[in-house]
This record gives sequence, structure tokens and C-alpha cells, in this order.
Amino acid sequence: AQSVTQLDSHVSVSEGTPVLLRCNYSSSYSPSLFWYVQHPNKGLQLLLKYTSAATLVKGINGFEAEFKKSETSFHLTKPSAHMSDAAEYFCVVSEGRDDKIIFGKGTRLHILP
Amino acid sequence: KAGVTQTPRYLIKTRGQQVTLSCSPISGHRSVSWYQQTPGQGLQFLFEYFSETQRNKGNFPGRFSGRQFSNSRSEMNVSTLELGDSALYLCASSLSRGGIYEQYFGPGTRLTVT
Repeated sequence: AQSVTQLDSHVSVSEGTPVLLRCNYSSSYSPSLFWYVQHPNKGLQLLLKYTSAATLVKGINGFEAEFKKSETSFHLTKPSAHMSDAAEYFCVVSEGRDDKIIFGKGTRLHILP
Repeated sequence: KAGVTQTPRYLIKTRGQQVTLSCSPISGHRSVSWYQQTPGQGLQFLFEYFSETQRNKGNFPGRFSGRQFSNSRSEMNVSTLELGDSALYLCASSLSRGGIYEQYFGPGTRLTVT
């Protein structure tokens, strides 16, 4: 069965510095992996997804993630943080047609001025 | 194209009552999933509907039920409400079943049980 672990519940970075949100997954098959973002009092929005194509995936708002099978990781990065990036980020794994989509517990990103 | 809509946006109920939440997916989307989000438990999967059939179910008691209509709109019902049911209930639609399809989320219904 698949699972997903977000290694940090809170991350704080200064505006203009790089962002790294870590995600490890467990999957028996070739997984599909997603990152979603949730701003306060809003629904979730898809940032990017990996579905067995290129291992480096580019998403919206300058975010990208790299699928590393050997490390079972799918970390989310951004070169330069912006105040508007302050939100909660969810890593998601799904294996197949009949499997549930599993959400990580989320990482809250704080941007310091 | 209109996004996922959920009604009502806010709801206050009393313990023991029941509640029905509604979700209209993006036009053409056939899969609808429901999630409960609380500060303590995070995002938890409730169930998924596809072609009017429940395809997957999370670990919630039978008080939580749902259905999907032929136009893909979905409703979620919670009977005999408990204080612990206070949460943000999110609905998500996707084009079809299968993990390769990303989900599009509605703004949620904030349920408060007093």
C-alpha cells in the first residue's frame, strides 16, 4: 500500500531565499505524485504532478519537484520565496486506478520579511 | 469553465442533527471525492464516487454517507452529528478515475457543530 510522509510540519524561510519542502513516499508500483497548495480559508490548488514522464516537473508560480525513485522522494523547491507563497503544501501519492489518493499531513510554509 | 462549487459555504448545526452538503463538479468531470480537514487530523479521505457508484471509502463511521447523481453532482450526508464532526469538508472533482488525474478542489463547506 502506498503512503506519503512530509518530513517537516513547518518551514520558515526569508523572502528571496530558496524553498525546500520534503516529501518521501512508499509505493509498490509506479506512483503518480502531486503537490497541492492551500492558502488560508481556500480550497487546494494543484501545483504540479508527476506521472512517469520527465523526472523534473515544473509547476505554477516557479515551483518544481524532482522524482527520485532511488530515494523515494519528491521534494518541492523554488529558487526564491515570495510572501505570497505562505501557505500549506500537501504532497500526494496515488498508485493506480482503484487505489485511494493519499495526502501527506502537510507542511506549513512561513515567509519571513 | 466554472470551477467546483460547494454549498453551503458555512453551516452551524447542533449535536444530534443531520446535515447535507452539496458539490457540483467541473463540467465533464465524472469523479467526485470528499475529504474532511481538521487541524488535528489533517486531510482525511471520506469517499469517492464515479458514475453514481461509490468506488472507494475512507475509515469513517456509517454516519457519513454520500451519493452521486447522473449529472455527476454529489451530496454528502452526516447523520447524528457529533462535536468532532466540526471541520472543513472539501469536495474535489477529476476527469476520471485513476491516480494520474489531478483533482480540482472546491472552496469547502465549514461545518460547526455546537
